[in-house]
Amino acid sequence: EDQVTQSPEALRLQEGESSSLNCSYTVSGLRGLFWYRQDPGKGPEFLFTLYSAGEEKEKERLKATLTKKESFLHITAPKPEDSATYLCAVPRGGSQGNLIFGKGTKLSVKP
Amino acid sequence: DAGVTQSPTHLIKTRGQQVTLRCSPKSGHDTVSWYQQALGQGPQFIFQYYEEEERQRGNFPDRFSGHQFPNYSSELNVNALLLGDSALYLCASRWGQTNTEAFFGQGTRLTVV
Repeated sequence: EDQVTQSPEALRLQEGESSSLNCSYTVSGLRGLFWYRQDPGKGPEFLFTLYSAGEEKEKERLKATLTKKESFLHITAPKPEDSATYLCAVPRGGSQGNLIFGKGTKLSVKP
Repeated sequence: DAGVTQSPTHLIKTRGQQVTLRCSPKSGHDTVSWYQQALGQGPQFIFQYYEEEERQRGNFPDRFSGHQFPNYSSELNVNALLLGDSALYLCASRWGQTNTEAFFGQGTRLTVV
């Protein structure tokens, strides 16, 4: 069964304390992995797309990496404004655009 | 460039009533998908519209229906509302029937009482 699992469910960091979020996936024929940021009560904001193992993308303090079974979102020297829920998603096997989301990791960064 | 816009932002309905939610896709996008997000959960796929037809459907009952107009905007209709339909409803748009990134609107918060 196609599945996306994110860990940890919640992560509390001090400002400047780097860490990583994990997204494990099981899907037949990966057609891309997407990372989104979601603020409370808002829609997900697109961050990155990764298509093949070994691929990396960076944006400010965030870097996403992809292997054949999982993806990591590395956060370097986070700031309080990085606090949000981070979601990863993959297209359901054999479909186009039907995204399966994980439950997300809620990140809190304290000053 | 306007992104994906949804209306209304908040809505309160009574059990058994019907509701219509609206979505205008990002400029240049022609494919619209709808998702339901319960509190503390990831979004769940409802259905996708392309060329004014429903192309894919998730595991949602027939009470959930939709429409896409010639200008690519879309509506989500839910009949016979249940308390469990209370959620954030998200619209996402992309270009074509591909697996490029989808852009989401701010959502409609539906509360059923």
